[in-house]
Amino acid sequence: QSVLTQPPSASGTPGQRVTISCSGSSSNIGSNTVNWYQQLPGTAPRLLVYPNNQRPSGISDRFSGSKSGTSASLAISGLQSEDEADYYCAAWDDSLNGWVFGGGTKLTVL
Amino acid sequence: EVQLVESGGGLVQPGGSLRLSCAASGFTVSRNYMSWIRQAPGKGLEWVALTYSGGGTYYTDSVKGRFTISTDNSKNTLSLRMNSLRPDDTAFYYCAGGSSHDYWGQGTLVTVSS
Repeated sequence: QSVLTQPPSASGTPGQRVTISCSGSSSNIGSNTVNWYQQLPGTAPRLLVYPNNQRPSGISDRFSGSKSGTSASLAISGLQSEDEADYYCAAWDDSLNGWVFGGGTKLTVL
Repeated sequence: EVQLVESGGGLVQPGGSLRLSCAASGFTVSRNYMSWIRQAPGKGLEWVALTYSGGGTYYTDSVKGRFTISTDNSKNTLSLRMNSLRPDDTAFYYCAGGSSHDYWGQGTLVTVSS
């Protein structure tokens, strides 16, 4: 049981906009920034979106993150087949004194 | 270009020990937040341990007292000493660098089984 809650799956058709939610509590998302990671099949995770909706070099601006209260969302616009991957949210938890991750969302491009 | 390369994984019996290493290039381990994050086969990501400049460390509850995270500044490497290993420690172990886990290695597989 993950501390952060994500839907196990999401799907969309090419060109569509998809959002993935991440729900937490006051000790993690409510008081700290949220990062999003993408894990393509058979590869290591990589940072996708980090605080203030910034993206590492090389990450498309089709990916954007937002946060409100104790929840966060990742939006993917103009969905492409290469976006098929697992997506994870993460935040520092002040009560646990550690990082907590969501259980991951498997995105399928139909 | 930043590169993180893990090594040291393998098969170990329950109760055994293992030491993982993460060699960094293009990135100074001692000046940054460094974490170990694991992923059991077919499962999600689980943060394991963190160290940061100044020597502070944090651990997830399930590994406290069994795992030790450390850095070797002369070799620019991150290590994870794992004792009293259990079958549920079986996972790919990734090292990640940066305050947002900006950089990841390719992972090393640890299998705890008799």
